[in-house]
Amino acid sequence: GAVVSQHPSWVICKSGTSVKIECRSLDFQATTMFWYRQFPKQSLMLMATSNEGSKATYEQGVEKDKFLINHASLTLSTLTVTSAHPEDSSFYICSARMTSENIQYFGAGTRLSVL
Amino acid sequence: SQQGEEDPQALSIQEGENATMNCSYKTSINNLQWYRQNSGRGLVHLILIRSNEREKHSGRLRVTLDTSKKSSSLLITASRAADTASYFCATVRGSNYKLTFGKGTLLTVNP
Repeated sequence: GAVVSQHPSWVICKSGTSVKIECRSLDFQATTMFWYRQFPKQSLMLMATSNEGSKATYEQGVEKDKFLINHASLTLSTLTVTSAHPEDSSFYICSARMTSENIQYFGAGTRLSVL
Repeated sequence: SQQGEEDPQALSIQEGENATMNCSYKTSINNLQWYRQNSGRGLVHLILIRSNEREKHSGRLRVTLDTSKKSSSLLITASRAADTASYFCATVRGSNYKLTFGKGTLLTVNP
């Protein structure tokens, strides 16, 4: 099956620093990637839709300048949490959609802890 | 409003028993999907059922869809301890491929 690699799996950073999370589709090209945020024991909330070669589409309430998304190639999207604060601590998950399918393939997630 | 609400929120059964989880949604959909998430991990796609389909099978999984009631169910037969995970339904509306997830059911299968 299709594989999506997400890196890092866990990151601890100091308040005020920026953190970059990578999402790669390893064996397929993904014109669309998605970024989600999940709080403990809760559902996934879509943050933004990332389209290769164009600006990301952010969901209502998600700060564009806070969560920078870049989708420079058909296999890589990055999410940068800028000037992270403790309230940004969460589990971030990416997914990639194969062009020919309705299914999203998910990365293993990144647990961000901001001290 | 929440699109995709699963019940029960938590389900604990013995190995070998069947597990049934339900999902309700509020608006018309293109398709409905079920995903599984092991603790602290990403999601794994289980099955997709289109709005014009009523039932689908995949191994020990059986999914039904009732568009008149805006509900779906996921049945796992002959459960195993390894089935312990959270199960989410997710709906797709229109052609934008965005998934809207429900709150999930935490299934615990006791050996």
